Amino acid sequence: EAGVTQFPSHSVIEKGQTVTLRCDPISGHDNLYWYRRVMGKEIKFLLHFVKESKQDESGMPNNRFLAERTGGTYSTLKVQPAELEDSGVYFCASSQVGEENTGELFFGEGSRLTVL
Amino acid sequence: AQSVTQPDIHITVSEGASLELRCNYSYGATPYLFWYVQSPGQGLQLLLKYFSGDTLVQGIKGFEAEFKRSQSSFNLRKPSVHWSDAAEYFCAVALYSSASKIIFGSGTRLSIRP
Repeated sequence: EAGVTQFPSHSVIEKGQTVTLRCDPISGHDNLYWYRRVMGKEIKFLLHFVKESKQDESGMPNNRFLAERTGGTYSTLKVQPAELEDSGVYFCASSQVGEENTGELFFGEGSRLTVL
Repeated sequence: AQSVTQPDIHITVSEGASLELRCNYSYGATPYLFWYVQSPGQGLQLLLKYFSGDTLVQGIKGFEAEFKRSQSSFNLRKPSVHWSDAAEYFCAVALYSSASKIIFGSGTRLSIRP
């Protein structure tokens, strides 16, 4: 069974440009989370989808960030326009809902974003 | 505010030596507690978790952790480390349920001395 996959693995863009990160969760996982780690600091929560609905988006830093999960399958995280402080590693994670949830989040390898 | 503290940024131990990584949390109630590991080039992998019951939990790769309510701690231990244990370790808490958002500590990088 395929794990959580993220694309691209590394993106280098200039300040003011747009970048879209993609996450494909494990098949059947309705919970999908985005996290970000900036400059070796703690991994910070961005938002949580249950299927296509945003359950919690309290961690989204500002309106330059837009997350979508149309159809409740894969998710995209768009940064527009990108700023220098957006550089970091963006992690996606997924898990099952309800009784099948074990509490474990399954993480992708992350997408490293570098804004110059 | 809720927080997770890992006081050690970087630890180096000799192969075969014992290991203890510290974790403290700040929260009014007992949260759900986790340790994750990130090896180079890989995503985060769950080592172990504590929800309730026995305060000493066993995980994968020979790791264990002990929940101490009085100290708000959840330290990770391994009796004898292997070179393959070199990685970054993250302590984390989930506040409301096992499916709620997880708050991570800043991580401890572990290096193994041959």
